Parts: sequence; structure tokens; C-alpha cells
Amino acid sequence: AQSVTQLDSQVPVFEEAPVELRCNYSSSVSVYLFWYVQYPNQGLQLLLKYLSGSTLVKGINGFEAEFNKSQTSFHLRKPSVHISDTAEYFCAVSDPRGEQLIFGAGTRLAVHP
Amino acid sequence: GAVVSQHPSWVICKSGTSVKIECRSLDFQATTMFWYRQFPKQSLMLMATSNEGSKATYEQGVEKDKFLINHASLTLSTLTVTSAHPEDSSFYICSAIRGTGLQETQYFGPGTRLLVL
Repeated sequence: AQSVTQLDSQVPVFEEAPVELRCNYSSSVSVYLFWYVQYPNQGLQLLLKYLSGSTLVKGINGFEAEFNKSQTSFHLRKPSVHISDTAEYFCAVSDPRGEQLIFGAGTRLAVHP
Repeated sequence: GAVVSQHPSWVICKSGTSVKIECRSLDFQATTMFWYRQFPKQSLMLMATSNEGSKATYEQGVEKDKFLINHASLTLSTLTVTSAHPEDSSFYICSAIRGTGLQETQYFGPGTRLLVL
């Protein structure tokens, strides 16, 4: 069975500061990893995904994430956040067959001026 | 914690038949629910936003007449795949929104795998 843990339910940060949103997973098989963002009253949007290859994945809006197999982590980072990055961020893991998609509980990022 | 269920979790059907998938918020009321589908190695694709008491809002490229969504109560939204074809085989997942504004939290269902033969 797979599971996803997002360690922080809320992350407050000032504008232009760096941010890291943490995600750890557990799985007995290889996985695909995703980060999604959700703005109020909207559906999920894909930020980035890791399927294979380079462990550093770059996504939209200046976000990137690094897959660390030994630590079973897939933390999301941005070197300088904007007010518009205020949203909820979800980490998700899928098995390669696409049989299941498991979400973390989400991290609410609040960017303050 | 809040729970969202989906039924069935697995369904196999013949081409041309219709399949109904239920999404229920078990211990809270959800004015808004989302329906997604996922193909292997792909990310989730938002299909539609389901609002209780009103017509669903479909994303561009999603056929309204093929994917019928009904959100008849604050705890139930249904997705009906009409005249299903093999290319509709996919993993369908719903989510329900609990609360509003800063208290808004999204909960995901476990998903429904549809296989159309």
C-alpha cells in the first residue's frame, strides 16, 4: 500500500522569500510523483511530475521538486514566492500501472506582503 | 477526519453501455465536488466542477452529453459515462470541498477504475 504525508498543513511566508513544501511517501513499488496546486474555487492544476530520469523536476510558475529515493521524499521548492502563489498544494503518488492515485492532505501556502 | 467515498471502486462493462459512478461525502456537506480522470503516466485531468443544485461546469474538450454529472444533494455527486467505449477506460477520481474561504479543505475519493471492453 502507498501513502503520502505532507508534513505541514500550513506554511506562512513573506513575499520574495524561498519556500519548501515537504512531501514524503511510502511505497513498496516504484512510483510516479506529482505536485498539484489548487486556487480557491478551482480544480487541481498540475505543477510538475516525476516519472523517471532526472531527479530534479522543474514545473510551472518557477516551482521545482527533487525526488529523493533514499529519503522517499519529493519536496517542492520555489526560490522566491509571490502573493499569487497563495494556494493549497497537494502531493500525490501513483503506481506505474495507474491503478491508484493517493493524495497527501495538502499544504496551505500563505504568502504575505 | 472527513471521508469521501466512491462507488464502485472497480467496474468492467461492455462497449455501448452506460456506467454510473457515485461520489459521496460521508460526514460533511459539499457544495462543490470535482471530477477528474487519470491515464497511466499522466496527471489528473479536471473534467468538471459539480455544484449542488445547478448544472456542472465542464472543462474544455469534455463532452457534456457523454459524461453526465448530477449533484442532487450536498453529499452526493454522480458521474455517468454514457455509451462507454474502450477509450473511456481510465481512473476516475472525485474530490469534495468542505468549508469555505480560509477554512476550505479538499478531500479526495479513492477513485474508480473503469475498464470498457
